[in-house]
Amino acid sequence: QVQLQESGPGLVKPSETLSLTCAVSGYSISSGYYWAWIRQTPGKGLEWIGSIDQSGDRYYNPFLKNRLTISVDTSKNQFSLKLSSVTAADTAVYYCARHRELVNDAFHMWGQGTLVNVSS
Amino acid sequence: QSALTQPRSVSGSPGQSVTISCTGTSSDVGGYNYVSWYQQYPGKAPKLIIYDVNKWPSGVPARFSGSKSGDTASLTISGLQAEDEANYYCCSYAGAYTHVVFGGGTKVTVL
Repeated sequence: QVQLQESGPGLVKPSETLSLTCAVSGYSISSGYYWAWIRQTPGKGLEWIGSIDQSGDRYYNPFLKNRLTISVDTSKNQFSLKLSSVTAADTAVYYCARHRELVNDAFHMWGQGTLVNVSS
Repeated sequence: QSALTQPRSVSGSPGQSVTISCTGTSSDVGGYNYVSWYQQYPGKAPKLIIYDVNKWPSGVPARFSGSKSGDTASLTISGLQAEDEANYYCCSYAGAYTHVVFGGGTKVTVL
């Protein structure tokens, strides 16, 4: 059974970099699929952040891409998110997920989510 | 403001059918057959219930059905049950630049 688990600091100061990791179990990232980050805020609902595959092929939300880095570590079977210069508007529950087949397809599996608060 | 427009809430009695609309543009919903729907309970992660407009992932009851006409997709819940009370979000592929857009979510209340 494939499981995804987000981890990282729950509190980040404004102007600093938010860093999260998604550990995948029950499936080897090296075997394929695209893996995604999605966030949810009360005000804006669900927002796709970006997606990556095992080779490092990346797709970023154009509104975040100047601050965003998504990477994959197949040796640790995990992928990561770094969002720089954060503000209060980046406060959200962050989810990692797996696309169903193609990168333009649905998000088939989700982690439980982790709340990140941006505050001094 | 979300890219796809959904009604804030819909309600129905047990056994009835409810339909949630999801309106986009020809650049997203109308342009691709990659519309998906997610069910989310408070405090939980979203769960995929419909993909590629009208297909079911394994384990999802057939009383959830999806369709699309032009720039509007729809999710219908037939034979509404108490456990269907949740928030529902639509999502669409939106091309190589924007890539993915979501709806603002619809709260389904079972009366």
